Amino acid sequence: GESVGLHLPTLSVQEGDNSIINCAYSNSASDYFIWYKQESGKGPQFIIDIRSNMDKRQGQRVTVLLNKTVKHLSLQIAATQPGDSAVYFCAESRPQGGSEKLVFGKGTKLTVNP
Amino acid sequence: GAGVSQTPSNKVTEKGKYVELRCDPISGHTALYWYRQSLGQGPEFLIYFQGTGAADDSGLPNDRFFAVRPEGSVSTLKIQRTERGDSAVYLCASSEQGPGEQYFGPGTRLTVT
Repeated sequence: GESVGLHLPTLSVQEGDNSIINCAYSNSASDYFIWYKQESGKGPQFIIDIRSNMDKRQGQRVTVLLNKTVKHLSLQIAATQPGDSAVYFCAESRPQGGSEKLVFGKGTKLTVNP
Repeated sequence: GAGVSQTPSNKVTEKGKYVELRCDPISGHTALYWYRQSLGQGPEFLIYFQGTGAADDSGLPNDRFFAVRPEGSVSTLKIQRTERGDSAVYLCASSEQGPGEQYFGPGTRLTVT
């Protein structure tokens, strides 16, 4: 069935390295994508979003890339810091009767080693 | 400003009991969402309110689940005859009208024994 998923459940990097977290989606009608960061015991925290009319969007230390041809989304974190350790979710927005509900993938756990 | 708040933060109840979970969205946000997150999984959509009305309740798993938002701000998720499978973290999110970023609360961890 249609779903948003992540290729890797865990990712371990050294402090200062760049991190890349990948996500695949299957609904070509989706027009809005968001990356969330979730720390233990907390709700998801917005990182960055991108609309389907864009291929790339940059924030502070983060970049999201969208490849609509292969339905692939990635989050790049530059100079990864220990505070970046968390579970990262991509989410897909599927407009349906005005509802902007999000469909989340399972998440990738990022561990940053000092 | 204040973010989305949820109460209680933790709720332990016995199988078969009734529970209510509360969400206070960001002031002025007309859209409110409930999600459920099981251990090791991403949040799953339950219901969406635009103002006072439930615009999309397609994610509610069965008729034991019900949510209200009578004045267009605070929302209550109600679960009747709780089952052990209902144990999860229940997340609430709000956003301004229209598509855009959803701001999540810290969640309520529900444990059904």
